[in-house]
Formats: sequence, structure tokens, C-alpha cells
Amino acid sequence: GENVEQHPSTLSVQEGDSAVIKCTYSDSASNYFPWYKQELGKRPQLIIDIRSNVGEKKDQRIAVTLNKTAKHFSLHITETQPEDSAVYFCAPTGGSNYKLTFGKGTLLTVNP
Amino acid sequence: DAGVIQSPRHEVTEMGQEVTLRCKPISGHDYLFWYRQTMMRGLELLIYFNNNVPIDDSGMPEDRFSAKMPNASFSTLKIQPSEPRDSAVYFCASSPPPGQGAAFFGQGTRLTVV
Repeated sequence: GENVEQHPSTLSVQEGDSAVIKCTYSDSASNYFPWYKQELGKRPQLIIDIRSNVGEKKDQRIAVTLNKTAKHFSLHITETQPEDSAVYFCAPTGGSNYKLTFGKGTLLTVNP
Repeated sequence: DAGVIQSPRHEVTEMGQEVTLRCKPISGHDYLFWYRQTMMRGLELLIYFNNNVPIDDSGMPEDRFSAKMPNASFSTLKIQPSEPRDSAVYFCASSPPPGQGAAFFGQGTRLTVV
């Protein structure tokens, strides 16, 4: 099965700074790379995703970059705001991997 | 579509009682996943179904846990008998075939076993 690791497990930044979270995976057949955000007391929700034929995707202040050779992808948040404070999960899937396995999550805290 | 619907939202039960959690996936999603979330273990995959058939239940902690999907619009997760260590938030999620789109989660059921 897919082994998924996220780093760091916790991240604290000042409002306005950038934040980067990295996800490494083991299944080279994975072809879909989403990031989910879970606010306190709520459900995980998709915030951005990327497919294996694309190296980078951007949506306003968030972006995802993919390195298929090295088997990792990263979430980038610029100009962080307090409402970005949440737990972020990656869950690479596709190819031979039908098991939707999530990383252990990264707790991001944005200090005003 | 109203999204993935779970019930109940909260459940408090006594140790030894049977608990049944319910999930209605998004129409057209072929895959359904049950997760348990705790502070210590994070988001654990318990079992998943494809076209109503259980594919992998290796995450089910023990025989006290069982899950069914009698049709494409309904699934249950049952715990019998329940124990205090089962206290957690249980999420149901549905998706198109993994790799073809994102998973959508229900609001979760917060289970407390006293």
C-alpha cells in the first residue's frame, strides 16, 4: 500500500509569511495529488489538487508543486492569514493505489 | 446534491451497547470510505467499498467493528459491543475512482462511549 509522510507535523508562522508543507509517497503509480484542509471541529475539504502531467498549479494564495521523480509534492501558502490556521492533509492516489490513505497531517498556526 | 450525509452527528452511549453509524454518499460516486479520527492516531482508514462491495477492511480494528453497504446510497458502520476506546469522530467519504477526483467527506459522527 501507499506510505504517505508529511513534514513538518506542526508549523507556526506570522501573519503575512509563507508556509510550505511537503508530502512524500511511495507508490510511483499514483497520479492524483490533492491537499485537504480541516478546520477545528469540521470535516476535511479539498483546497487544491494536481495531476501527474502537471508540475505546478496555483489558485490565488495557494499553490501545489509536484516532483514525480522524487515522489513528493508540496503545498505553498503565501501571505498567510489567521483563517489559514488548520490541519492540512495530503492523500496521493490513483494508478494501482485505490486506497485513500491520508498523511498524518500538518497543524498550521498563523499568529496575528 | 446535498453532499455526503452522516447520522447521527453526535452519539453518546454506554460501554457494551451497540452503535450504528449511517452514511449516504454522493450520487454517482463509486467509492465509499469510513475513517476514524483521534488526536493520537490521526485519520485512519477503516474500510472502503467499490460499487457496494467491501474491498479492503484491513483497517477495521477488531471483530467488534463491521460495515455494510446494501445499496449505492447507504452504508453503515456498526460497533458491537462498544468500548470507551472507540470514542472518536467517524467520517464517511465518497469519491469517483481514486485518481479521478477528490473525496468528499460527511460532517462526521462524534462518538462518546462512557
